[in-house]
Amino acid sequence: NAGVTQTPKFRVLKTGQSMTLLCAQDMNHEYMYWYRQDPGMGLRLIHYSVGEGTTAKGEVPDGYNVSRLKKQNFLLGLESAAPSQTSVYFCASSYPSRMRQGANTGELFFGEGSRLTVL
Amino acid sequence: KNEVEQSPQNLTAQEGEFITINCSYSVGISALHWLQQHPGGGIVSLFMLSSGKKKHGRLIATINIQEKHSSLHITASHPRDSAVYICAGVGGSRLTFGEGTQLTVNP
Repeated sequence: NAGVTQTPKFRVLKTGQSMTLLCAQDMNHEYMYWYRQDPGMGLRLIHYSVGEGTTAKGEVPDGYNVSRLKKQNFLLGLESAAPSQTSVYFCASSYPSRMRQGANTGELFFGEGSRLTVL
Repeated sequence: KNEVEQSPQNLTAQEGEFITINCSYSVGISALHWLQQHPGGGIVSLFMLSSGKKKHGRLIATINIQEKHSSLHITASHPRDSAVYICAGVGGSRLTFGEGTQLTVNP
């Protein structure tokens, strides 16, 4: 049981290049999230998914795309990287609470983070 | 004004001290997470609570949903408790994070 795994852990890109970050979880979680963490700011939600085949925009979605073709995987893509996208990216997953329909009160599991630098 | 605010932003303590970190939120939430982020960067979930109090070892978390306030307490603090502590409010399928509290416990 690996939990939440992110790849790659580190990447350096040039402006305009594209790349994909992969998040994989083996806990059969419904909900998956992509966050970015920047100095002096809290974790900010980029995109999220509440189930296979569904995605939704978070607070800072511009410049990113996502896909959730399989329940266990959530991919984050940068089509044309910009220096402003230099950040540490975290993936997280959880299950929805059965006690309160529609509210996600499940425990959160995070990946180890992916440090992306765009030159 | 952030929807989720933590205080203090930075906290330095001596080993053995009792520590309190506060989290206040202005949005409606159904539950709140307390997370720990170590210098290596990994984030670990400490607690998820929607009412009352939870205890795990030397850590205690309390929440008052009506007053929109939660606290994380660490008893008998230890240098290994040094980390960033983050609270996150749950609203539907999304979370709103505080900026974190940097805790340093000196031996």
